[in-house]
Amino acid sequence: EIVLTQSPATLSLSPGEGATLSCRASQSVSTYLAWYQQKPGQAPRLLIYDASNRATGIPARFSGSGSGTDFTLTISSLEPEDFAVYHCQQRSDWPPYTFGQGTKLEIK
Amino acid sequence: QLQLQESGSGLVKPSQTLSVTCAVSGGSISSGSYSWSWIRQPPGKGLEWIGCIYYSGTTTFTPSLKSRLTISLDGSKNQFSLKLSSVTAADTAVYYCARESRIPLWGRGTLVTVSS
Repeated sequence: EIVLTQSPATLSLSPGEGATLSCRASQSVSTYLAWYQQKPGQAPRLLIYDASNRATGIPARFSGSGSGTDFTLTISSLEPEDFAVYHCQQRSDWPPYTFGQGTKLEIK
Repeated sequence: QLQLQESGSGLVKPSQTLSVTCAVSGGSISSGSYSWSWIRQPPGKGLEWIGCIYYSGTTTFTPSLKSRLTISLDGSKNQFSLKLSSVTAADTAVYYCARESRIPLWGRGTLVTVSS
């Protein structure tokens, strides 16, 4: 089973600042990695698929990069609505399609 | 536009079986190029991928739940279902269904509580 480790666990930033979230896989997942945003009481929302492709309707300030075992979600300039929990998920080869433990992005 | 909607047993007693169904609308579950998954999230915790089923009936489960888990698909009703037996409080979670594809699509989830 592929283990995903997200860092940091919590990130405290102010609106307008840039954010960099990391997701590291225990073995290569090629580019089969997705990022989700989750707000309290809501289902996760797909942000990025295949490591770097923005899902429909996702603002350009969100970008994903990486391949193999190291991946990054970057938010160029934080808006108030961006403060949430972010999850990465690997979808490589065969299930289980494991998730990272999440990064909480909070207002400083 | 494809949509997924979960419905579940709501409150289940310990040692009983939890059941959740995912109704698919706006498209056919029989489309052979997808698999259909279940994910859960205990209150205040992270996401756990549970298992999936292909239209062929092939299933794959996460190892920790394999012995208690059944996933089935009903093409005539355009839905798929999850059953988890011998539940404990640790199985209390929001259960999400999803269509697995290059661009995944999720339902909104349903809370199932295990309590006496």
